[in-house]
Amino acid sequence: GAGVSQTPSNKVTEKGKYVELRCDPISGHTALYWYRQSLGQGPEFLIYFQGTGAADDSGLPNDRFFAVRPEGSVSTLKIQRTERGDSAVYLCASSLRGSDIQYFGAGTRLSVL
Amino acid sequence: KQEVTQIPAALSVPEGENLVLNCSFTDSAIYNLQWFRQDPGKGLTSLLLIQSSQREQTSGRLNASLDKSSGRSTLYIAASQPGDSATYLCAVLNRDDKIIFGKGTRLHILP
Repeated sequence: GAGVSQTPSNKVTEKGKYVELRCDPISGHTALYWYRQSLGQGPEFLIYFQGTGAADDSGLPNDRFFAVRPEGSVSTLKIQRTERGDSAVYLCASSLRGSDIQYFGAGTRLSVL
Repeated sequence: KQEVTQIPAALSVPEGENLVLNCSFTDSAIYNLQWFRQDPGKGLTSLLLIQSSQREQTSGRLNASLDKSSGRSTLYIAASQPGDSATYLCAVLNRDDKIIFGKGTRLHILP
């Protein structure tokens, strides 16, 4: 596709459930980023992939959060035992290389009831 | 640790006025600075990107400046229109390849 695609656009789940959020980066982009944006805040960095490996996962809030990018393209952000505080918009971005312009997807709005 | 601050947090101005949004950052070791627009419930749209070696960038009615040594950037919007109403986010790309965002300025242009 022409841009970064994120699915689903909205996800409603119950506290304690497991969710997966998907990001399809721009074709050929080696770097992929996940951010989380809470209401009234700017996006906050979660994790950065260079190829298949996580180059920096220092933004993941705790061990309930995990992300993979097994083939160096699509990435999945996984959240276990969701809590109400996990409710936010999760944004994905990709860039050609690590220091290039990042292009953002429209985000997945996660609501944990 | 890089911190990005945006002032004001919210701004309402009548249509047609020129306005300035401010952004400051604490660590000048950046690759670039970017201004984004975010409409309610939507993703981010990149407006202007200034490389660390540049002083300003212009696109239409928008002009962004960068003073890296003092850790400041401004976004100037000329002849504001109701369609400019949105949240404007300032973000710096650090040397560790992470983007650090400010909390944004919510802009409302009054028709």
